[in-house]
Amino acid sequence: DGGITQSPKYLFRKEGQNVTLSCEQNLNHDAMYWYRQDPGQGLRLIYYSQIVNDFQKGDIAEGYSVSREKKESFPLTVTSAQKNPTAFYLCASSMDRGSNQPQHFGDGTRLSIL
Amino acid sequence: KQEVTQIPAALSVPEGENLVLNCSFTDSAIYNLQWFRQDPGKGLTSLLLIQSSQREQTSGRLNASLDKSSGRSTLYIAASQPGDSATYLCAVRETTNAGKSTFGDGTTLTVKP
Repeated sequence: DGGITQSPKYLFRKEGQNVTLSCEQNLNHDAMYWYRQDPGQGLRLIYYSQIVNDFQKGDIAEGYSVSREKKESFPLTVTSAQKNPTAFYLCASSMDRGSNQPQHFGDGTRLSIL
Repeated sequence: KQEVTQIPAALSVPEGENLVLNCSFTDSAIYNLQWFRQDPGKGLTSLLLIQSSQREQTSGRLNASLDKSSGRSTLYIAASQPGDSATYLCAVRETTNAGKSTFGDGTTLTVKP
């Protein structure tokens, strides 16, 4: 079945540590997105990528980094510069940046601080 | 900057009741509006997608409407069931910013048996 796979499901970070969240899709989608969700709130955009080797900052990019070396993969690194990383992280993809196509979501990674 | 508001934040109804969830947005320059369901600790499941040129979409007991000129959408759930209990999020996909989506904070629905 086609879909988006996020791993791990739960992740713990120590002080000063960088951690990487994985997002893989086999939908052949061009566009991929990373969102952060805090309790009781909607999703806020961290980074997005419209095509391989290209990505753009979203609304809350500080303390995060991404790469898009392959069409199917869009990993997110939460760096030590992100002082409040505890949240639920969701990855999404869509056929292209235009638009009339729906976004599909993974099951999320929950990140906590040790 | 696009802002999306969902009212009410929480709703509790008895089983069998029909209900309406509301979503409003400030910028009508959108490609589409999507309604999602989120169960606790889970990802998002797409329920309905309404294109900007459409007025409504239906799927089973769900009906979503869109009035782009007034910046409003509603999600109507008929004959609610306890299994409908979840958080419902709406998101608008903008014609700017490479088609990114802006989300509301959601409405948490509880359907009591």
